[in-house]
Amino acid sequence: DAGITQSPRHKVTETGTPVTLRCHQTENHRYMYWYRQDPGHGLRLIHYSYGVKDTDKGEVSDGYSVSRSKTEDFLLTLESATSSQTSVYFCAISDSTDTQYFGPGTRLTVL
Amino acid sequence: KQEVTQIPAALSVPEGENLVLNCSFTDSAIYNLQWFRQDPGKGLTSLLLIQSSQREQTSGRLNASLDKSSGRSTLYIAASQPGDSATYLCAVRGNYGGSQGNLIFGKGTKLSVKP
Repeated sequence: DAGITQSPRHKVTETGTPVTLRCHQTENHRYMYWYRQDPGHGLRLIHYSYGVKDTDKGEVSDGYSVSRSKTEDFLLTLESATSSQTSVYFCAISDSTDTQYFGPGTRLTVL
Repeated sequence: KQEVTQIPAALSVPEGENLVLNCSFTDSAIYNLQWFRQDPGKGLTSLLLIQSSQREQTSGRLNASLDKSSGRSTLYIAASQPGDSATYLCAVRGNYGGSQGNLIFGKGTKLSVKP
């Protein structure tokens, strides 16, 4: 398995609070991604990174920001969490063949 | 805008049966197509990746085909086993630069293989 960890694995927070999710890889891959998975919508890309300090928006980026200060870490921040951001969040990396490898996910509940 | 559809949404088969999962996409300008497996409460596991220039890929009991012109891919599972029970997702990467070249996922087919 690709070396991808996500933290925390579960989080419950209240509306209006900031939340940061962390993705850590040990594979030294250039590309990293954040997705959310919701019933009825499937997996949707939030943001992705193609190198240190290089990021771009995905399909559902509103309300989210990201940062990548080191190759191994990709952070997803919800500046002011809303109930619509209750979801399961997955981090992924891709290798030189473009195969994507996913982390175990973070289940976030916003009350 | 690329749309990926997987039909059926759920499938139940007896153990030992050969089966086919379907994936269709609306824009044939793809770079590659990937099949994933997701077990309940887990992340996705990559099964097969087919480049746009390829017609099929095989891994063990799995065979994935790609017909880019018709916008279709199939995942063939031979001699199904209860351990194959999972949700199978298809995803396509557009042949475009920037964010338009990211993976677009179907909603998956939930497979149940009965002993």
